[in-house]
Amino acid sequence: EVQLVESGGGVVQPGGSLRLSCAASGFTFDHYSMHWVRQAPGKGLEWVSVTNGQGGARKYADSVEGRFIISRDNSKNALYLQMKSLRSEDTAFYYCAKEHSSGWPAIDYWGRGTLVTVS
Amino acid sequence: SSELTQDPAVSVALGQTVTIICQGDCLRTYSASWYQQRPGQTPVLVMYDKNKRPSGIPDRFSGSASGGTASLTITGAQAEDEADYYCNSRDRSGSRVVFGGGTQLTVL
Repeated sequence: EVQLVESGGGVVQPGGSLRLSCAASGFTFDHYSMHWVRQAPGKGLEWVSVTNGQGGARKYADSVEGRFIISRDNSKNALYLQMKSLRSEDTAFYYCAKEHSSGWPAIDYWGRGTLVTVS
Repeated sequence: SSELTQDPAVSVALGQTVTIICQGDCLRTYSASWYQQRPGQTPVLVMYDKNKRPSGIPDRFSGSASGGTASLTITGAQAEDEADYYCNSRDRSGSRVVFGGGTQLTVL
C-alpha cells in the first residue's frame, strides 16, 4: 500500500525558514517523480514543485522560485522541501504527492498534508 | 491568475448528468487530469490522460477534451459526488504543472 507521510510543518515568522519532509513507502520510490502541492485553508490546490526520480531535475512554481528547494534521498525513500524567506501567502497545507505511472501531471497518491503557518 | 479556468460552482439534481469544464491554451497541447476533493479529505485522482479512469473510480465518471477545453462528466450524479473538482495539466512551457481554480459541485 502506498503511503506518504509529511512532517515538519509548524508556525514560523515571516522571513523565516522551514524544512518539510515526506516519508514514502509501498512503491519503488526512485522510479517516480514526486511533487509538492499546497492548499491554503479554504482555497484551491496550487502546485509548488516537482523533482524527477533521480532528483537531478527540479521545477518550481513562479511563486516559490528562488525561495524553495525540493530534494530527495532515494536511499531513505524521502522527499524534502526546504523553504526560506517565508511569506504570509505561503501559509497552507503542504501535500507530498506521487506521479501516476502514466507520468505527470497526473498524481495518484497524496499524503495527508502538513500545515505551515507564516505569522 | 491560473492558466486553467474552471467555473467556481455547478449544481446538479440527484441522478442527473453534469459536466465540469476546464479551459486553457495549454490543453491544446497537454492532457488534463481531474481530482475530486471532499471536505476535509485529500484529493483523489478520478481521470487522467483526458479520459482514463483509475481503478476504483465509478464508470459514471468520464472525461473528454477538444481544443483548449477539457471536460469531466458525471452521468447519474450521486450524493457522494458532492465535492470540489480540480483539473490540472502541464503549463504552456510543458515544464511545470498548473491547477485550475476548482469547481464546487453541489448535488441537489
